[in-house]
Amino acid sequence: KQEVTQIPAALSVPEGENLVLNCSFTDSAIYNLQWFRQDPGKGLTSLLLIQSSQREQTSGRLNASLDKSSGRSTLYIAASQPGDSATYLCAAKYNNNDMRFGAGTRLTVKP
Amino acid sequence: DAGVTQSPTHLIKTRGQHVTLRCSPISGHKSVSWYQQVLGQGPQFIFQYYEKEERGRGNFPDRFSARQFPNYSSELNVNALLLGDSALYLCASSWDRYNEQFFGPGTRLTVL
Repeated sequence: KQEVTQIPAALSVPEGENLVLNCSFTDSAIYNLQWFRQDPGKGLTSLLLIQSSQREQTSGRLNASLDKSSGRSTLYIAASQPGDSATYLCAAKYNNNDMRFGAGTRLTVKP
Repeated sequence: DAGVTQSPTHLIKTRGQHVTLRCSPISGHKSVSWYQQVLGQGPQFIFQYYEKEERGRGNFPDRFSARQFPNYSSELNVNALLLGDSALYLCASSWDRYNEQFFGPGTRLTVL
């Protein structure tokens, strides 16, 4: 069964701290893995996409890594800001076109 | 460039009714996917369409159906609405079936 789990469910940090969000997937036969941000009641904003052949992707203060063999991905946020407060979701794409999401990590960055 | 657009923004229906949700993809994108997101959970995959053909289907009952038009816009239809169908319905588009997906703002459906 293709399941995606995100730990922790919620995280609160002071402004300026570096942090890591975790994503694990049970079926390692993924096509790609995508990280999203979701603000309350809104749609999803794509942050980073990692193809199955890649190990990491970077965009600004964000860095995402992928380890297919262990079924894990991490999202690293450097120098967190209050504007980073949101729910972060990871999603694994499979060859049958199914895209499995985790339940998300709700991040609060305190000024 | 306009992003993915969805209509309507909000919708209130009663049990047993049917509903049609609409999605317009980013210009040039040929794939549209639909997701259901219940409060506090991640989105669940419903359908993917590419070049007007169904390319993937999630674990949803036959009350859910969709189609894609020649201009690549898409409709999601839900018949015989149940209270449990209340959710945020998200549409995502991508250039093809496997590339980065871009999401619309969603349609909030409430079934009374």
